[in-house]
Amino acid sequence: ETGVTQSPTHLIKTRGQQVTLRCSSQSGHNTVSWYQQALGQGPQFIFQYYREEENGRGNFPPRFSGLQFPNYSSELNVNALELDDSALYLCASSGGVVAEAFFGQGTRLTVV
Amino acid sequence: AQSVTQLDSQVPVFEEAPVELRCNYSSSVSVYLFWYVQYPNQGLQLLLKYLSGSTLVKGINGFEAEFNKSQTSFHLRKPSVHISDTAEYFCAVSLPNTDKLIFGTGTRLQVFP
Repeated sequence: ETGVTQSPTHLIKTRGQQVTLRCSSQSGHNTVSWYQQALGQGPQFIFQYYREEENGRGNFPPRFSGLQFPNYSSELNVNALELDDSALYLCASSGGVVAEAFFGQGTRLTVV
Repeated sequence: AQSVTQLDSQVPVFEEAPVELRCNYSSSVSVYLFWYVQYPNQGLQLLLKYLSGSTLVKGINGFEAEFNKSQTSFHLRKPSVHISDTAEYFCAVSLPNTDKLIFGTGTRLQVFP
């Protein structure tokens, strides 16, 4: 059983650029959720994908978008980066045991 | 809408002392309740969860939590903490069968020797 892996672990982008973050879900899981965790805050729900379809979205602007692939891995894309997008982005996969989401180690995004 | 309040941003405690981390939630419907732990530069690890049934839930690493519906609370406890318990602890809720978590702002547990 493989865990949830995210890539890259760290990256630095310039304001206005675009970024793609990746997540490989745990084996047997068909649901991926993305969270943004600003420094000193709790994670905030961005959106969720279930079997390649968006299945709920938090209070984030449309420049945050995502994809889920047939193997249930997922991407988070952020366009027109702003300084406030600097955060730890967490991916969680679920769909196995009821109400049990497994988190990756996160991608630390710094926007300068 | 659902919300979670963690009343203490930081909790300092000496090793081998008991600890309680407080969590209150707000929801007009039944929710699932969770505690997660986050070690520095890592993701979140599930400590325990309450779905239904017995209100006392036991988790990993000797932690337990009690669901109190009348007080809308889900406080986390450990009778004797270790240095290795130093971490950030997050309380969270979700609507049943959604896996969409709403987190509190976290409590930093600092264990001193």
